[in-house]
Amino acid sequence: AQKVTQAQTEISVVEKEDVTLDCVYETRDTTYYLFWYKQPPSGELVFLIRRNSFDEQNEISGRYSWNFQKSTSSFNFTITASQVVDSAVYFCALIRGSGGYQKVTFGTGTKLQVIP
Amino acid sequence: DVKVTQSSRYLVKRTGEKVFLECVQDMDHENMFWYRQDPGLGLRLIYFSYDVKMKEKGDIPEGYSVSREKKERFSLILESASTNQTSMYLCASSPTGTAGNYGYTFGSGTRLTVV
Repeated sequence: AQKVTQAQTEISVVEKEDVTLDCVYETRDTTYYLFWYKQPPSGELVFLIRRNSFDEQNEISGRYSWNFQKSTSSFNFTITASQVVDSAVYFCALIRGSGGYQKVTFGTGTKLQVIP
Repeated sequence: DVKVTQSSRYLVKRTGEKVFLECVQDMDHENMFWYRQDPGLGLRLIYFSYDVKMKEKGDIPEGYSVSREKKERFSLILESASTNQTSMYLCASSPTGTAGNYGYTFGSGTRLTVV
């Protein structure tokens, strides 16, 4: 069975602070994909990043960076110099690597509030 | 721009009513999904469909049914709405076999209140 744990339910930071959102996953598959989604107040989940299980290279995109470590089954997300527009609910998700419909397992989400 | 469109942003229904939530995608995706989102529980899969007229139960199908008569449209039906079905409902779609490459595309959600 697959499981994604986001232990942080809510986080509040002051604008310009750095913040890291934690994601720990469990799977028996050797091939899988990890995602982060952002859900702003408008409601739609927006894709942020994808990582496959064979690619542990960290990624940076502007103020966003992701740290994927298979040894600890973690895929953490860091926002540098946070802004009010970063306020949202963030979901980590896991998709198995094969199979027709590739069911997604979502974490319970972390609500980030950036205070001006 | 590819899209998943949910017909209603907000709905208020009475207990016992039959409720239809509609979802349309324009990406020719085979797979479509209905989730409900509740605080502290994340996204829970209600039903999904991997082809026209095909459906599979997700993790919490009780009290719901679905219909997929056309590839682009996936409807969620609450046969007799109850207050514990008050929630945010999210529709998503993905292409078969390649969801790992692209993930899911989500609609904006329908916030349903049952009174």
